[in-house]
Amino acid sequence: DTEVTQTPKHLVMGMTNKKSLKCEQHMGHRAMYWYKQKAKKPPELMFVYSYEKLSINESVPSRFSPECPNSSLLNLHLHALQPEDSALYLCASSSPRGIVTIQYFGAGTRLSVL
Amino acid sequence: KNEVEQSPQNLTAQEGEFITINCSYSVGISALHWLQQHPGGGIVSLFMLSSGKKKHGRLIATINIQEKHSSLHITASHPRDSAVYICAVSKYSGGGADGLTFGKGTHLIIQP
Repeated sequence: DTEVTQTPKHLVMGMTNKKSLKCEQHMGHRAMYWYKQKAKKPPELMFVYSYEKLSINESVPSRFSPECPNSSLLNLHLHALQPEDSALYLCASSSPRGIVTIQYFGAGTRLSVL
Repeated sequence: KNEVEQSPQNLTAQEGEFITINCSYSVGISALHWLQQHPGGGIVSLFMLSSGKKKHGRLIATINIQEKHSSLHITASHPRDSAVYICAVSKYSGGGADGLTFGKGTHLIIQP
């Protein structure tokens, strides 16, 4: 199983809502990532978790709150988002054995903030 | 200046043509990745390179570490190869889990 599953596939939320994005993998990977991709732009790194600990935060606003409750699951909690936060949110995972390994991507959650 | 530059940004070719997409980078890296993204968003990793050359089916990827340059070649291109091809680099952080820095992508269209 080389699948990274993201739910929901689509999400529409108002600026006062609280919602969460979920990412799950069962490949035994101990590194998980959140990326944000605006239309017609490349993905941008948001967060990296390594062995369930946050190792990289790319100066992301606090209205995005990541959580890694266990080695298979990664959440992104959203609160008080702005319309400019509308984007495709991609999750990825990799095995941190060695220096670098291939990242496996989920299909993404397409978020619209009204 | 972007740390990862790709060219061309857009490429339209006829079925069967040999395709080359170029990538140059300006930072120290531990590996370079070639990725494919289809409309709708899903990203698939094609290659990860730290030196030399790799081949998978009709796809070939090369990297020249000294020149900080990589190329992705597609032989006997087919309309199903139409996608966005993205070059990305891992900048070694020492922890084994490093996010990717992406180029802007090359939008490839193969016409029948």
